[in-house]
Amino acid sequence: GAVVSQHPSRVICKSGTSVKIECRSLDFQATTMFWYRQFPKQSLMLMATSNEGSKATYEQGVEKDKFLINHASLTLSTLTVTSAHPEDSSFYICSAPGTAFNGYTFGSGTRLTVV
Amino acid sequence: SQQGEEDPQALSIQEGENATMNCSYKTSINNLQWYRQNSGRGLVHLILIRSNEREKHSGRLRVTLDTSKKSSSLLITASRAADTASYFCATDHLSGAGSYQLTFGKGTKLSVIP
Repeated sequence: GAVVSQHPSRVICKSGTSVKIECRSLDFQATTMFWYRQFPKQSLMLMATSNEGSKATYEQGVEKDKFLINHASLTLSTLTVTSAHPEDSSFYICSAPGTAFNGYTFGSGTRLTVV
Repeated sequence: SQQGEEDPQALSIQEGENATMNCSYKTSINNLQWYRQNSGRGLVHLILIRSNEREKHSGRLRVTLDTSKKSSSLLITASRAADTASYFCATDHLSGAGSYQLTFGKGTKLSVIP
């Protein structure tokens, strides 16, 4: 079945630095990739939708300049958290649409801790 | 994006018992999906039910959908300790931008006691 590989799985960074998270579709082409954020004991909140060859669409309240999304190819989408602050510490997950029967395929998530 | 409500927020049962989780949503949907998440991990797709379906089975899972009430339920029969996880419903629906996206419920944390 469809697999989305996400890395790193965990990252600790200093406040003010930038962190890049990658999601790759391994055996299929993903023209669209969704990026979610999940705070502890909460649900997933959609941050943005990346589209290959065009600009990402951001949800209301998500800062475009802080969360840079690039969909460089049909198999790679990246999320860069720029000038990270402790409040950006969260679990970030990407997903790609599946078929009409299989739902969406999710990456394994990235636990970001900003110290 | 609007999130649905799920109840209960937490459920603790003995191994072998059935677990029922409910989900309500607000928008018109293309389909509704249920996902499982083990602590600190990604999501695993469990089952998808389309808006024109009312019930679906997959192994020990049974999902119902009532579009008139905008609600769904997930039943796990003969639960096992390995079923311990958080379960989320998610509605696949048209966004304001005209594309499909998933909106998640708040989730139910299921604990199955051996």
